[in-house]
Amino acid sequence: DIQMTQSPSSLSASVGDRVTITCRASQSISSYLNWYQQKAGKAPKLLIFAASSLQSGVPSRFRGSGSGTDFTLTISRLQPEDFATYYCQQSYSSSPYTFGQGTKLEIK
Amino acid sequence: QITLKESGPTLVKPTQTLTLTCTFSGFSLSTSGVGVGWIRQPPGKALEWLALIYWDDDQRYRPSLKSRLTITKDTSKNQVVLTMTNMDPVDTATYYCAHTVYLVTTYGYRRPYFDYWGQGSLVTVSS
Repeated sequence: DIQMTQSPSSLSASVGDRVTITCRASQSISSYLNWYQQKAGKAPKLLIFAASSLQSGVPSRFRGSGSGTDFTLTISRLQPEDFATYYCQQSYSSSPYTFGQGTKLEIK
Repeated sequence: QITLKESGPTLVKPTQTLTLTCTFSGFSLSTSGVGVGWIRQPPGKALEWLALIYWDDDQRYRPSLKSRLTITKDTSKNQVVLTMTNMDPVDTATYYCAHTVYLVTTYGYRRPYFDYWGQGSLVTVSS
């Protein structure tokens, strides 16, 4: 299995801050990395696919970057609705497709 | 507008078989380039991909659960069914189905991502 490790596991920030979440793969996954946002009690929502492509309808303050094994999700100018848990997911190998453990973004 | 909804039992007993149905609208599974995946999430834990079926009936399974999982599609009913045998309390989770699209590599490999999700269905395994 390709292991996906996110850091930090939790993060406190304020409205207006810029935050960065990191996802590291245990082997190269090229750019086949997706990011999801999940709010409490809700289904995940796709934010970024293929490492840096913004899903339609997602605000431009969300930005993904990276390739190989190291990836980042950056949220510039945090908004109140951005406080949620974020997951990365690799789609390079179906044996199996794996998610990170999640990063919980909380209000400071 | 793409929507998906999971349905099935909320409680199953250990050793029983779970059957979940994903009923969707806004797309057809006979259209090239789409699929439906199943992902689960135990309470308070991370997401775990289970299975995926594409428009051309190509099926993918989580290797560790492959012997217990079956995914099928009924294009005429706009449904995808996931069955999981020999349920155990550790299988207690919210089960999601998701509309899936994919990139294709130069060697023809599919690289999927889940762009629309159902609301999820909580399944508890307990005697």
